Amino acid sequence: AQSVAQPEDQVNVAEGNPLTVKCTYSVSGNPYLFWYVQYPNRGLQFLLKYITGDNLVKGSYGFEAEFNKSQTSFHLKKPSALVSDSALYFCAVRDRGSTLGRLYFGRGTQLTVWP
Amino acid sequence: DADVTQTPRNRITKTGKRIMLECSQTKGHDRMYWYRQDPGLGLRLIYYSFDVKDINKGEISDGYSVSRQAQAKFSLSLESAIPNQTALYFCATSDPRPGPFTDTQYFGPGTRLTVL
Repeated sequence: AQSVAQPEDQVNVAEGNPLTVKCTYSVSGNPYLFWYVQYPNRGLQFLLKYITGDNLVKGSYGFEAEFNKSQTSFHLKKPSALVSDSALYFCAVRDRGSTLGRLYFGRGTQLTVWP
Repeated sequence: DADVTQTPRNRITKTGKRIMLECSQTKGHDRMYWYRQDPGLGLRLIYYSFDVKDINKGEISDGYSVSRQAQAKFSLSLESAIPNQTALYFCATSDPRPGPFTDTQYFGPGTRLTVL
């Protein structure tokens, strides 16, 4: 079975501080991993994706994520948070060996960056 | 213009009414999806279609049906709406062909549905 866990419903951080949004996953094979962001009253926007190779993936808006196979984690990070980063963040996984090609999403983490 | 569009953006209806939500895309993707989003539950998959002739149920298909009229169009119907179908509904597309964006899903802006 494939699943994604985002253990924190809410993350609060001061502007200028580093931020981390956590994600762990479970797949039967090797994963593709994704992060999406949702701003209020908008659809989900693709941030970044891990396919293979370098464990540190860089994405949009200065975000990056680190793939850790032994810990089955794919945490989203940013060195210096902005108030405009405040949004709902979703982690998603796809089993690379599956022919179905569908994604499994976590429940989301609300990030709030205060001035 | 947006690559994935949804109509209507907002809809209020009554219990028992039939509702259709429409999704169109200009990305040329074969794969299309319908999700619903509820607070604290994330996104749950209702139906997905890998091409015009291939439609599959997701985790929560009961009470919903879909139609893939063309590669670019994928409609979601609620045959007899009930209040617990009140949610935000998203359509998405993806391309399975090998490349840097394989299986990346692209989402529409959503339809906020309220069933009274």
